[in-house]
Amino acid sequence: DAKTTQPPSMDCAEGRAANLPCNHSTISGNEYVYWYRQIHSQGPQYIIHGLKNNETNEMASLIITEDRKSSTLILPHATLRDTAVYYCIVRVAGGGADGLTFGKGTHLIIQP
Amino acid sequence: GAVVSQHPSRVICKSGTSVKIECRSLDFQATTMFWYRQFPKKSLMLMATSNEGSKATYEQGVEKDKFLINHASLTLSTLTVTSAHPEDSSFYICSAPKGGAGNTIYFGEGSWLTVV
Repeated sequence: DAKTTQPPSMDCAEGRAANLPCNHSTISGNEYVYWYRQIHSQGPQYIIHGLKNNETNEMASLIITEDRKSSTLILPHATLRDTAVYYCIVRVAGGGADGLTFGKGTHLIIQP
Repeated sequence: GAVVSQHPSRVICKSGTSVKIECRSLDFQATTMFWYRQFPKKSLMLMATSNEGSKATYEQGVEKDKFLINHASLTLSTLTVTSAHPEDSSFYICSAPKGGAGNTIYFGEGSWLTVV
């Protein structure tokens, strides 16, 4: 799997949009971008994933640049419960036999 | 709701004993499951891949005789920490892929192991 680069930490005010960047400049054409988050003392929670089109679900939006070398996860209206470590991971499509490789992620802190 | 469940969520055991952690896929079959461990303030580290009907595949540096993995059915994988020592105290997490191409890997709630 390609390596990703994320800022180690970010702050965001409650109620504002949180924009978390991720660089994946060596991503291959068949690799998806996945986002997970881990709230303290819990297992990682799946947020969203995409290949090249922007994606949106009830939790977040994923914006992938046209060259696919970077992406941004957007939490539209951050709440205190969104404080967590967010992981951006790239993975081969249908790579069911391969576990995910976690980097250090971004520790997002939502400020009241 | 949860699609992957672990049990127990917390366990304390004495040094030298063995402890088993279960991982279940709740509404899908998983021929493959993954086991991770996580130390405080560190990222998740993949320990092994559990394969239904065959031997598990262990990552480099992980002792297969100490961390026994059994994938007995398409919905259940177990991790047994044998002859546990205090340094085995950690957060153990399992995961399983669900779906077809571009499938999503879901994680269990995790199991805290404390060896005293």
